[in-house]
Amino acid sequence: KQEVTQIPAALSVPEGENLVLNCSFTDSAIYNLQWFRQDPGKGLTSLLLIQSSQREQTSGRLNASLDKSSGRSTLYIAASQPGDSATYLCAVRRGGATNKLIFGTGTLLAVQP
Amino acid sequence: DTAVSQTPKYLVTQMGNDKSIKCEQNLGHDTMYWYKQDSKKFLKIMFSYNNKELIINETVPNRFSPKSPDKAHLNLHINSLELGDSAVYFCASSQAGGNQPQHFGDGTRLSIL
Repeated sequence: KQEVTQIPAALSVPEGENLVLNCSFTDSAIYNLQWFRQDPGKGLTSLLLIQSSQREQTSGRLNASLDKSSGRSTLYIAASQPGDSATYLCAVRRGGATNKLIFGTGTLLAVQP
Repeated sequence: DTAVSQTPKYLVTQMGNDKSIKCEQNLGHDTMYWYKQDSKKFLKIMFSYNNKELIINETVPNRFSPKSPDKAHLNLHINSLELGDSAVYFCASSQAGGNQPQHFGDGTRLSIL
């Protein structure tokens, strides 16, 4: 059974710092991995999707890496801003015909001005 | 225009009642999903439909019945509501195929009194 864990559960950093969020999964047979952010009272916004054959994806100040063999992904946020404060979720999609996502436990990020 | 829209945003009702949550997507996607986010913010898939056909049905009580009148709509009907049904319910959609990102609505916060 696939389990997805995110460390740390909560993180507080001063504005301008670079930071790394971690995601680990127990079954390396994944199809892809997706990072989301969730703002309070809002839905999920897709940030990056990494296919199982890829090592990393970049979008602006965000860089996500994937090491499928070790069951790990990281989300790197450069030059953090208060607007980055949110809960960050990773989700893995297992193989097969369905597009079922299995979510991690989330990291609550607070960027202090 | 909102890509994935859910109504209502908030739903407060008595135990034992029957209620429905509606979801519509204007992205032209083939696949739609319902997720439940519990009080600990853990997200778990409930159902998935592809072109109006059920493809994922997780271990969900049969009091929950999804209905897809067309591929742009996936409604969730809940009978005999229980206290444990209190949660945030998210609708999502994607193109068919496992390499497509999922797009989420803003959620419906269901509170059972």
